[in-house]
Amino acid sequence: AQTVTQSQPEMSVQEAETVTLSCTYDTSESDYYLFWYKQPPSRQMILVIRQEAYKQQNATENRFSVNFQKAAKSFSLKISDSQLGDAAMYFCAYSAYSNYQLIWGAGTKLIIKP
Amino acid sequence: DAGITQSPRHKVTETGTPVTLRCHQTENHRYMYWYRQDPGHGLRLIHYSYGVKDTDKGEVSDGYSVSRSKTEDFLLTLESATSSQTSVYFCAISEGQGLWEQYFGPGTRLTVT
Repeated sequence: AQTVTQSQPEMSVQEAETVTLSCTYDTSESDYYLFWYKQPPSRQMILVIRQEAYKQQNATENRFSVNFQKAAKSFSLKISDSQLGDAAMYFCAYSAYSNYQLIWGAGTKLIIKP
Repeated sequence: DAGITQSPRHKVTETGTPVTLRCHQTENHRYMYWYRQDPGHGLRLIHYSYGVKDTDKGEVSDGYSVSRSKTEDFLLTLESATSSQTSVYFCAISEGQGLWEQYFGPGTRLTVT
């Protein structure tokens, strides 16, 4: 069975600094998708970034980028120039080509210190 | 924001009573999903729908049933609520699967006493 692990229940970073959230997954599939979603205190779930496993180039969305290491089954999220509005729960999720159901990690709570 | 509403937003019910949660979308998206969110577990898929009257089970479907008679509405029913079903329930929609983004509703907090 596929699993997604986020080993950091909570992380904190100083405003304007850079922080990296880790995510590892376990799968026997070769083709799949990976996502990072953000859930602020409002509880609204928002897509941050996504990556197709066959693409070697790491995805980037403004201040958000990923470090995708397929062999290591690792998909970390880097947030540059952290802002107060980045404070939220961050969830890593995986979806295989074969069934498309999203498998979610338990989440990392990101605290931004002013 | 994607047009997704959930009702009710909060509900307290007693063990053994039936409960129905409603998800309504105005985006005409084909796929609809019901998740539950519990501390330490992230989101877990309960059921999903890939079209009117087309549904399938997710990871934690026991004790839940769903129906989709119209594109815009996806109902989640707890036939006989139990305390283990106390959770926050999210509906999501997407145009397609795979790399397509899922858009989430505001959530329903359900407490079973």
